[in-house]
Amino acid sequence: KQEVTQIPAALSVPEGENLVLNCSFTDSAIYNLQWFRQDPGKGLTSLLLIQSSQREQTSGRLNASLDKSSGRSTLYIAASQPGDSATYLCAVKTSGSRLTFGEGTQLTVNP
Amino acid sequence: SAVISQKPSRDICQRGTSLTIQCQVDSQVTMMFWYRQQPGQSLTLIATANQGSEATYESGFVIDKFPISRPNLTFSTLTVSNMSPEDSSIYLCSVEGGGIGDEQFFGPGTRLTVL
Repeated sequence: KQEVTQIPAALSVPEGENLVLNCSFTDSAIYNLQWFRQDPGKGLTSLLLIQSSQREQTSGRLNASLDKSSGRSTLYIAASQPGDSATYLCAVKTSGSRLTFGEGTQLTVNP
Repeated sequence: SAVISQKPSRDICQRGTSLTIQCQVDSQVTMMFWYRQQPGQSLTLIATANQGSEATYESGFVIDKFPISRPNLTFSTLTVSNMSPEDSSIYLCSVEGGGIGDEQFFGPGTRLTVL
């Protein structure tokens, strides 16, 4: 059974800092890995999708890497802003298009 | 990317009643997914709904409690039946984008509180 773990559970940083969120998964037989953002009480916004054959994806200040063999992914946020405050969720897709989610990292960026 | 809407956005219900949540997508999709997010927790897949066939339920979820309809390629409903306070959650509809890599998109969610 696939299990996804995210570290840290919560993170508070001053504005402007670069930061790294971590995601690990137990079964490397994944189809892809997706990072999402969730604001309080809201749905999920897709940030980055990495296919199993890819090593990284970039979008603006966000960079996500994938090391499938070791079961790890990182989300790098450059020059963090208060508007980045949200919960960040990592999810891996396995057979049957099923997404398995981590518990999330709650990020607070202080002005 | 797919644009997904859900109705209602939130509701407060009495125990023992049922609520039907609607999900509308702006394009035709093969599979639609229903997730539950209990307070302070991550998302758990309830079921996968294909048009023209019975929904496939994950372990721990049953059709009697969470009946699903999928009448066409852009619409689905999830009913939460005989509700109890433990059903208080955010319920989210999701689809695969159909583009490169099968990126998955989510609706805004329905926040349900059961008293």
